[in-house]
Amino acid sequence: AQSVTQPDIHITVSEGASLELRCNYSYGATPYLFWYVQSPGQGLQLLLKYFSGDTLVQGIKGFEAEFKRSQSSFNLRKPSVHWSDAAEYFCAVGASGGYQKVTFGTGTKLQVIP
Amino acid sequence: GAGVSQSPSNKVTEKGKDVELRCDPISGHTALYWYRQSLGQGLEFLIYFQGNSAPDKSGLPSDRFSAERTGGSVSTLTIQRTQQEDSAVYLCASSLTVGYTFGSGTRLTVV
Repeated sequence: AQSVTQPDIHITVSEGASLELRCNYSYGATPYLFWYVQSPGQGLQLLLKYFSGDTLVQGIKGFEAEFKRSQSSFNLRKPSVHWSDAAEYFCAVGASGGYQKVTFGTGTKLQVIP
Repeated sequence: GAGVSQSPSNKVTEKGKDVELRCDPISGHTALYWYRQSLGQGLEFLIYFQGNSAPDKSGLPSDRFSAERTGGSVSTLTIQRTQQEDSAVYLCASSLTVGYTFGSGTRLTVV
């Protein structure tokens, strides 16, 4: 069965600092990988996705993620964080091909301080 | 519509009552999913629809939970005899290919 681990429950960074949110997955084949962001009181918005090709994926709002098969990781990065990035971030894994049941991690809450 | 629409946005109900939650997916999206997000928890998969059929309903927590989809479009999640542990945000998502589009959710509070 597929699973996702986000080891950091809560992260605080200063505005303008770089950010890396960790995600490790478990899946037997090449997975579909996603990062979603949830702002307070909002639904989830897709930041980026990976399912094949270049292992460095660019997303919206200046985010990127790198798929590392050897480490079973798909970490999310941003070079310079803005106050508006404060939100909860969810990593997710889905089965490749066909039905896309997606399994979500428990999320990392990002706090941005001035 | 332009996005996934869920109604109501908030629902407070008394323990033991039945509730219906509605999801209107993006037009043309054949796949529809229901998830539940409890306080401090991740997202818990409930059920998946492809068209009007539900090939995976493995996440429904008990037989008090049921869902249907009609016309390959609107879906309704029904919770019978609600319990306090049913309190959560219920999220609906739809997709055509890879990646979901989520609605804003229905916050259900059972008192």
